Amino acid sequence: NAGVMQNPRHLVRRRGQEARLRCSPMKGHSHVYWYRQLPEEGLKFMVYLQKENIIDESGMPKERFSAEFPKEGPSILRIQQVVRGDSAAYFCASSPTSGSVETQYFGPGTRLLVL
Amino acid sequence: ELKVEQNPLFLSMQEGKNYTIYCNYSTTSDRLYWYRQDPGKSLESLFVLLSNGAVKQEGRLMASLDTKARLSTLHITAAVHDLSATYFCAGHLMNRDDKIIFGKGTRLHILP
Repeated sequence: NAGVMQNPRHLVRRRGQEARLRCSPMKGHSHVYWYRQLPEEGLKFMVYLQKENIIDESGMPKERFSAEFPKEGPSILRIQQVVRGDSAAYFCASSPTSGSVETQYFGPGTRLLVL
Repeated sequence: ELKVEQNPLFLSMQEGKNYTIYCNYSTTSDRLYWYRQDPGKSLESLFVLLSNGAVKQEGRLMASLDTKARLSTLHITAAVHDLSATYFCAGHLMNRDDKIIFGKGTRLHILP
């Protein structure tokens, strides 16, 4: 059973470009979460999605950031017009159900560097 | 709003010694997680604590939860170098599905 998969693992963008980060949850998991980790910091919640629905996006910056989890395919975190402050590690996690006592399972992360 | 604070943030200790990492949280959380992260890697789940008085142990690590004090501890017994990593505790925000709030992490360095 493959774990949570994320790609790319490393992404370099110049200021003003777009970054697309992909996350495939564990098999059988329909809940996806995105977190951002700045250097020397803990993880900050960004958004929680189920298939075709955004459940909680309270941690998402109001501009330039968007997320989706289509019926088919991976979840996508999209950052438009990246700035240097967007440089961080972005982790995706999945769980089988909402409110489950199970922990969330984390992917390996995408490390975004904005030049 | 749930806030999670860990201390210490940095810890350097000798192999063979015991130590405890503390995790305080500000409001009611119905579960408490401990994760381990190695440099440049993802997070590995260590423990999920669900109720007051819960204690879980895995090898040299033992986690406990006191919901009345809003405190969880991660105790390391007879530390070995392989336990060097960053340890995060995280609380679950009640009534907010699976939103998890992380502490800043404790960077543990065990000297051989």
